Amino acid sequence: AQSVTQPDIHITVSEGASLELRCNYSYGATPYLFWYVQSPGQGLQLLLKYFSGDTLVQGIKGFEAEFKRSQSSFNLRKPSVHWSDAAEYFCAVAPYNNNDMRFGAGTRLTVKP
Amino acid sequence: NAGVTQTPKFQVLKTGQSMTLQCAQDMNHEYMSWYRQDPGMGLRLIHYSVGAGITDQGEVPNGYNVSRSTTEDFPLRLLSAAPSQTSVYFCASSSVRDRTLPYGYTFGSGTRLTVV
Repeated sequence: AQSVTQPDIHITVSEGASLELRCNYSYGATPYLFWYVQSPGQGLQLLLKYFSGDTLVQGIKGFEAEFKRSQSSFNLRKPSVHWSDAAEYFCAVAPYNNNDMRFGAGTRLTVKP
Repeated sequence: NAGVTQTPKFQVLKTGQSMTLQCAQDMNHEYMSWYRQDPGMGLRLIHYSVGAGITDQGEVPNGYNVSRSTTEDFPLRLLSAAPSQTSVYFCASSSVRDRTLPYGYTFGSGTRLTVV
């Protein structure tokens, strides 16, 4: 079965600094990859997804992610973090039929003023 | 634009009690699923359904039952609640009309369940 690892449990960055959240996956076939964001007390919101084509994908709120097959990675990036980006971020992988999406444990982002 | 609606938002149960968490979506999505979220463990899939009358187990199905009698509704039943089922539960839905294009899931806002 597929699995997802997010190595960083908690990251703190200063407002205006760049951000990179790491995600590694394990899956036998071509994966479909997603990043979600969860604000406190809320459900998850889709930031972006990758399933084929250009390995650099753009999402909402100024986020982007790069798929690197050789490294089994799908890291999330943002050039300049805003205080409102403080939240928990989840990477997820799904098979072609979308029926069994697996999530990483999440990375909590704190933004310092 | 209701999306995915979960009720109740909060619930406290005593050990051994039963209850049903409700989930409804108005997007005509074929696929619906239930996850539980526990600290440090991300979201784990409990059960899912690819259409009315079809359900299947996920990673952690024990202690939970589901049924899908309509496209819109996908209730999750706890038959005999245990403290280990204290968690936040999320319902999600997605369209699977085109199986070559995975869609991101739309999530409900969650149900926080405490079993004492």
